[in-house]
Amino acid sequence: GAGVSQTPSNKVTEKGKYVELRCDPISGHTALYWYRQSLGQGPEFLIYFQGTGAADDSGLPNDRFFAVRPEGSVSTLKIQRTERGDSAVYLCASSLAGQATDTQYFGPGTRLTVL
Amino acid sequence: AQSVTQLGSHVSVSEGALVLLRCNYSSSVPPYLFWYVQYPNQGLQLLLKYTSAATLVKGINGFEAEFKKSETSFHLTKPSAHMSDAAEYFCAVILWNGQNFVFGPGTRLSVLP
Repeated sequence: GAGVSQTPSNKVTEKGKYVELRCDPISGHTALYWYRQSLGQGPEFLIYFQGTGAADDSGLPNDRFFAVRPEGSVSTLKIQRTERGDSAVYLCASSLAGQATDTQYFGPGTRLTVL
Repeated sequence: AQSVTQLGSHVSVSEGALVLLRCNYSSSVPPYLFWYVQYPNQGLQLLLKYTSAATLVKGINGFEAEFKKSETSFHLTKPSAHMSDAAEYFCAVILWNGQNFVFGPGTRLSVLP
């Protein structure tokens, strides 16, 4: 019924800390995507899950970023040793089957601020 | 690799005037193309998409876009702007066998009374 939800909506942390961002996709959607949107820019792809596995993680900027989707539904994006440059809105999207023609439904995002 | 350009980071139109938001893409093969709208503090919402059927695509809220392969363009239009159309608009491309969007930088549309 409900759309994609993301928690928290806002997260403020200090440089060097660890953060977790959560995404609840639309029920029944097998594909899940994470994007990052910096101020004044379009979203940039981070990682794509098909079911429980990360089918494409080529967009993760470095090894401080990691994401999981252990049961093929909820996903968590994890950022270690946060840096000020990580500040952005992190968007999650899901689609029915991950086909290129499928509509990706986006959540409202988590605004991460690293002080 | 694909890329998307959106000419004009900010476009202003008067209420009732034509809306034209430009999108050009670069891709080794014709991609699928999408337009999304983002209202303040909300997630991206699909306006319309081209997936190799009709080249003129109609979407929600009176918007439409035409895929022109020769011009590598997918411009978004609306005959008459409404105040509620004020938002950020993003064009995105994906290859037929692709798995993720490549987004343009966005165009902020302002509608003046």
